[in-house]
Amino acid sequence: AQSVTQPDIHITVSEGASLELRCNYSYGATPYLFWYVQSPGQGLQLLLKYFSGDTLVQGIKGFEAEFKRSQSSFNLRKPSVHWSDAAEYFCAVGAGSSNTGKLIFGQGTTLQVKP
Amino acid sequence: EAGVAQSPRYKIIEKRQSVAFWCNPISGHATLYWYQQILGQGPKLLIQFQNNGVVDDSQLPKDRFSAERLKGVDSTLKIQPAKLEDSAVYLCASSSGRYQETQYFGPGTRLLVL
Repeated sequence: AQSVTQPDIHITVSEGASLELRCNYSYGATPYLFWYVQSPGQGLQLLLKYFSGDTLVQGIKGFEAEFKRSQSSFNLRKPSVHWSDAAEYFCAVGAGSSNTGKLIFGQGTTLQVKP
Repeated sequence: EAGVAQSPRYKIIEKRQSVAFWCNPISGHATLYWYQQILGQGPKLLIQFQNNGVVDDSQLPKDRFSAERLKGVDSTLKIQPAKLEDSAVYLCASSSGRYQETQYFGPGTRLLVL
């Protein structure tokens, strides 16, 4: 069965420091992978997605992610974190037997940014 | 372009009562999703519509949950009767197509069942 694991439930970084959020997936075929961000009281906003091609994907707000098939990972990175990046981050894999668009989400990583 | 609209934003009910949530997707989006997000977990798909037809409702507790999208535009999700474990945020999302197009999420409805 398809699944997504985000090993870190909570991460704290200092403003200006680099960030890496981990995501591991389990999926039999070539996965479609996504990172979403959720601020308090808000819906989810797409940061970036990977379908095929270049394994390093650029997203909005200065985020990037790298798809590594050998490690079944799709880690999210940002070189310098801003206080406004504090939020919850979700990794998701596109699943469904007929590419229905169904997303399976990880449990999320809460990012806290120290001044 | 207007985003996905949901109402109400918050709802508090007692167990065994019924409740309904409404979603209006982005104009022209054929696919509509309802997700349930329990505190501390990622969203879980309850039901997916393509126009007014159901594509996937495998994780919808059909003994108490129902959903419809009669004219292929807005949608209603109902719970009857509610249980304590239904306390969650109910997210609606829409996309322009079926095959891994970007899903745009509404702000959600936060339900508390007492």
